[in-house]
Amino acid sequence: DTGVSQDPRHKITKRGQNVTFRCDPISEHNRLYWYRQTLGQGPEFLTYFQNEAQLEKSRLLSDRFSAERPKGSFSTLEIQRTEQGDSAMYLCASSLKRGTGSYEQYFGPGTRLTVT
Amino acid sequence: ELKVEQNPLFLSMQEGKNYTIYCNYSTTSDRLYWYRQDPGKSLESLFVLLSNGAVKQEGRLMASLDTKARLSTLHITAAVHDLSATYFCAVDDITQGGSEKLVFGKGTKLTVNP
Repeated sequence: DTGVSQDPRHKITKRGQNVTFRCDPISEHNRLYWYRQTLGQGPEFLTYFQNEAQLEKSRLLSDRFSAERPKGSFSTLEIQRTEQGDSAMYLCASSLKRGTGSYEQYFGPGTRLTVT
Repeated sequence: ELKVEQNPLFLSMQEGKNYTIYCNYSTTSDRLYWYRQDPGKSLESLFVLLSNGAVKQEGRLMASLDTKARLSTLHITAAVHDLSATYFCAVDDITQGGSEKLVFGKGTKLTVNP
């Protein structure tokens, strides 16, 4: 399977703990996006990378959130000092951006975070 | 700020019936996507609409895009139970420095009853 993969698929943590999620995009894709989806809502944009550069962050991404894509391949999303409001599905997507063309974003299976 | 509105948010229909889901968006964009999501699962791409007047069909689903009206429709023909899922439309936000991040509607939860 050469689609987008995410790890772990489920994470239960206690409030105040740090968590880290990983996303492996489709191999030739240069763009990688993180979204968050809460129950009954559509996904909301968090941040995106083009290669290793983080080019935009949503105001939803508080100082407790940090994302990296060190070699322009996989990405990690870390949440420090988790709060119950962080409970959500975290979705990663990747796409191929060339020139002015627009290419479809392909989504991974998501990491479901529960903060107790 | 780009806003995307879907209606209805909940749709209960009988097998064999037809119905349309509407997606309106607030600012200029000519790239619109429809996704399907089953409970607890990720998003499955259904249609990519990249120009005014685009129409795409797959099985019992047909999607269209009118960029002048800033409206897309997802039409369901002769619904079957397997179509029960939540359907999202998403629009490329191309105004924010070229990020092309997607702005999603709240989704339409479709239930097809026998």
